[in-house]
Amino acid sequence: NAGVTQTPKFRVLKTGQSMTLLCAQDMNHEYMYWYRQDPGMGLRLIHYSVGEGTTAKGEVPDGYNVSRLKKQNFLLGLESAAPSQTSVYFCASRTSGGASGTDTQYFGPGTRLTVL
Amino acid sequence: EDKVVQSPLSLVVHEGDTVTLNCSYEVTNFRSLLWYKQEKKAPTFLFMLTSSGIEKKSGRLSSILDKKELFSILNITATQTGDSAIYLCAGHNYGQNFVFGPGTRLSVLP
Repeated sequence: NAGVTQTPKFRVLKTGQSMTLLCAQDMNHEYMYWYRQDPGMGLRLIHYSVGEGTTAKGEVPDGYNVSRLKKQNFLLGLESAAPSQTSVYFCASRTSGGASGTDTQYFGPGTRLTVL
Repeated sequence: EDKVVQSPLSLVVHEGDTVTLNCSYEVTNFRSLLWYKQEKKAPTFLFMLTSSGIEKKSGRLSSILDKKELFSILNITATQTGDSAIYLCAGHNYGQNFVFGPGTRLSVLP
């Protein structure tokens, strides 16, 4: 049971390049999230998904796109990377809420992205 | 706009001290308040609070929520160097949105 995994762990891009970050979870969770973490700013929500085939914008969605074609995978894409997107990116997942549900998110180990 | 504020932003104590970390929130359609500990990598879950006045405890850590005053505190007693980390507070609403505070960086010196 690997939990939440992210690939790659590190990446350096040049301005204008594109890339995709992959998040995978093996806990059969319905909800998945992408955050970025910058010094002194905590975690900011980029996009999230409440189920396969659905996505929604978070607090800072500009410059990013996402897809959730399979329940276990949530992809984050940067079409044209900018230096302002230098950050650590975390993926998280959780089961659906309800009377006996939980709001606990399980986080992946993070991807450190540098855009030059 | 929803927001979560934490204080202090940074704290240095010595082993054995007791610390109190503060979290205030403004979250529309509030559902729960969560605390996480972040060491070198991913945040790990500590507590989820949904009801006012009910203390949650785990070893030397405890937390409580005040839904009237819109704040929560995280207490750590008899601190150890292994408690050094960033402590994150997050508000969760019924729209599946989580809003995180900036975190409190706690350093525990031997």
